[in-house]
Amino acid sequence: NAGVMQNPRHLVRRRGQEARLRCSPMKGHSHVYWYRQLPEEGLKFMVYLQKENIIDESGMPKERFSAEFPKEGPSILRIQQVVRGDSAAYFCASSLGTSGSTDTQYFGPGTRLTVL
Amino acid sequence: SQKIEQNSEALNIQEGKTATLTCNYTNYSPAYLQWYRQDPGRGPVFLLLIRENEKEKRKERLKVTFDTTLKQSLFHITASQPADSATYLCALSQGGTGKLIFGQGTTLQVKP
Repeated sequence: NAGVMQNPRHLVRRRGQEARLRCSPMKGHSHVYWYRQLPEEGLKFMVYLQKENIIDESGMPKERFSAEFPKEGPSILRIQQVVRGDSAAYFCASSLGTSGSTDTQYFGPGTRLTVL
Repeated sequence: SQKIEQNSEALNIQEGKTATLTCNYTNYSPAYLQWYRQDPGRGPVFLLLIRENEKEKRKERLKVTFDTTLKQSLFHITASQPADSATYLCALSQGGTGKLIFGQGTTLQVKP
């Protein structure tokens, strides 16, 4: 059973370009979360999605960032017009549910975004 | 204000000893708390989850305690090995929200 998969593992963009980060959850998991880890800082929650729905986007910057989790295919985190401050590691996690024994979140290897 | 804090200084211990890491929180009422391990350049790996009504959880050489009165969780690694060297993260959830709130992590170095 494959774990959470993210691609690309490393992404280099110039200021003003768009970055698209992909996440395929573990098999059977319908809950996806995105976190950002800035250098020397802890993981910060960005957004929580279920299939075709954004449940909680309280950690997402209001501008330039968007996320989706379509009925078919991976979850996408999209950053438009990237700036140097967007350089970070972006992690995706998935879970079976959000309560009981189903709420453990399993993380992918991350995408390291570098903005030149 | 709400805070979740772990020892920011690295913890250095000798192989074979017990490592104890601390996670303190304020102004949260977590339904459960999770501990993760993170190696450089990698994603966090889930270790243990403990719920608010549980005092202690064990898994092999790992033990977690959860004191909702002290608002503290302790994470113990017994008979530590150099391979246990990593950063350990605690994360809490207020239940049903899906969102995990992470501490900044404590780096453990086990010397042979």
